[in-house]
Amino acid sequence: DGGITQSPKYLFRKEGQNVTLSCEQNLNHDAMYWYRQDPGQGLRLIYYSQIVNDFQKGDIAEGYSVSREKKESFPLTVTSAQKNPTAFYLCASSLADTQYFGPGTRLTVL
Amino acid sequence: AQSVTQLDSHVSVSEGTPVLLRCNYSSSYSPSLFWYVQHPNKGLQLLLKYTSAATLVKGINGFEAEFKKSETSFHLTKPSAHMSDAAEYFCVVSLPYDMRFGAGTRLTVKP
Repeated sequence: DGGITQSPKYLFRKEGQNVTLSCEQNLNHDAMYWYRQDPGQGLRLIYYSQIVNDFQKGDIAEGYSVSREKKESFPLTVTSAQKNPTAFYLCASSLADTQYFGPGTRLTVL
Repeated sequence: AQSVTQLDSHVSVSEGTPVLLRCNYSSSYSPSLFWYVQHPNKGLQLLLKYTSAATLVKGINGFEAEFKKSETSFHLTKPSAHMSDAAEYFCVVSLPYDMRFGAGTRLTVKP
């Protein structure tokens, strides 16, 4: 099956800990994205990557970091510097201007 | 700069009646326009996409949207709502590597 996978589906973290969310795609898309979704709000862009070994900050990059060592993978690290990390995180990849989304990871900080 | 406004945060319809979800956009260029649907705790699924080939775009599950440049609108419609249509719907305006999401419209379908 082709698609985008995110793991884990649910993640719990203690305050002060870093945590890494996984995103993998086998669609052979060059570009990948990370979004954050809060209740009652649309999606906000955290980081995006147009090509391997390159990535750009989105609108709300503070407290987050990414890497893009392989075309298929775009992991997101939520650092302890992120003041309000509890949210639903969505990964996407794109072909031209159409984005395709993974199932999401719900992160809860305890 | 580009932006999108979904005019209703919540729409409630009865099963079998028409659905109208409203979206206005602003863009300095000729963007692509999308509608996505999100069921609870799921990712976003592409419903349909407008790219200037035709002003009336047909999507999956019986949905369609009409692009009106003079009104800068891209409203989503369906002739007859089904219970399974209950979800959050997002209107999106897109240029390459710059995708802007509306705040979403929650559709409730009553039996």
